[in-house]
Amino acid sequence: DSGVTQTPKHLITATGQRVTLRCSPRSGDLSVYWYQQSLDQGLQFLIQYYNGEERAKGNILERFSAQQFPDLHSELNLSSLELGDSALYFCASSSSLLGTGGLGDTGELFFGEGSRLTVL
Amino acid sequence: AQSVTQLDSHVSVSEGTPVLLRCNYSSSYSPSLFWYVQHPNKGLQLLLKYTSAATLVKGINGFEAEFKKSETSFHLTKPSAHMSDAAEYFCVVSLIGKLIFGQGTELSVKP
Repeated sequence: DSGVTQTPKHLITATGQRVTLRCSPRSGDLSVYWYQQSLDQGLQFLIQYYNGEERAKGNILERFSAQQFPDLHSELNLSSLELGDSALYFCASSSSLLGTGGLGDTGELFFGEGSRLTVL
Repeated sequence: AQSVTQLDSHVSVSEGTPVLLRCNYSSSYSPSLFWYVQHPNKGLQLLLKYTSAATLVKGINGFEAEFKKSETSFHLTKPSAHMSDAAEYFCVVSLIGKLIFGQGTELSVKP
């Protein structure tokens, strides 16, 4: 058990709809990362938050948005869903900002078990 | 720019034989490199990491990897495969603020 909790585990919805995926990081971790994993694209970095602020952005579509709340949990909002959005969405957390070489930068991410989204 | 290439999308070995999963990286400066493992229907878990200390890095479950700057490689090895090693393995390079994942190598272990 990584200590990262994601809900829901499975979600089936229709095209054009909107869904919200929720992530609770490990206790004490300030950084939250969202990744999308699909068969054709592999594991793609979407976005990262650190202590409530957006810190890095990857291949996140404009239809997607995220935020990190004061209690450090994070939500990923996916709207105007398309068939191609079907994927496994992972949340990961770390205690510090990765790759900065700063104190506490272990480079380790702790992953949740993912939310599997199916768009029909 | 940083990138990582896993040279094999699928590797199949017999139980008890050595494992070699290949990874090449591209980085404009001295990188931090990692291997993560993903078992079916699970999240990813860190196997090992290289952060400019010893070039031979030992990880969990008997895996190790060697950083070779001249070859820009960070191959993952294990002397003897176990059935429980069957999973997907990701080579990862660290960029400020995020990790860049390779496409993954699926390891199958035959009895």
